[in-house]
Amino acid sequence: KAGVTQTPRYLIKTRGQQVTLSCSPISGHRSVSWYQQTPGQGLQFLFEYFSETQRNKGNFPGRFSGRQFSNSRSEMNVSTLELGDSALYLCASSPDGTGTLLETQYFGPGTRLLVL
Amino acid sequence: KQEVTQIPAALSVPEGENLVLNCSFTDSAIYNLQWFRQDPGKGLTSLLLIQSSQREQTSGRLNASLDKSSGRSTLYIAASQPGDSATYLCAVMDSSYKLIFGSGTRLLVRP
Repeated sequence: KAGVTQTPRYLIKTRGQQVTLSCSPISGHRSVSWYQQTPGQGLQFLFEYFSETQRNKGNFPGRFSGRQFSNSRSEMNVSTLELGDSALYLCASSPDGTGTLLETQYFGPGTRLLVL
Repeated sequence: KQEVTQIPAALSVPEGENLVLNCSFTDSAIYNLQWFRQDPGKGLTSLLLIQSSQREQTSGRLNASLDKSSGRSTLYIAASQPGDSATYLCAVMDSSYKLIFGSGTRLLVRP
């Protein structure tokens, strides 16, 4: 079974631009969560999507948005990029995110974004 | 607001040693606690998941315990190997089903 895939793996953008990151979950998984990892703040939850609906949201500004498609693939968009958005963006999938609460989340390798 | 703390931030041990990583959390209203491993530049790999009603979980040389009332968890690694070198992250699933992560313990096992 293929794991979680994220594209692109690396990205360089300049301040003010926007960026879209993609995540393909494990086949059959319906929940996709996004996280931002930085040296200063560590791993922080961005949002979670289930069945094309945002089910949970962290404390990030509205410049960070996402969506999920009917095949469970998810995209994350950051508009008006700032230097502080430089980070490793990780997505994780699970069967349904809360179901039996016995499931773990499976993480992708991440997209490393550098904002200049 | 749930906060997760991991001690120590970094650890260097010779191969073969048994070691303990610590994790504490401020709000005992959790659904589960998970330990992950992260290799440099890579994603996270789940090691152990402990439900809030459980006390411990074991997988191979790894054993994780959970004391929900005191807000503590430990990850015990037996007979450490150089391949165990990585950052170990503790995370709790809070009452809104979000994973809240600690800042991690960076482990180096010297040959």
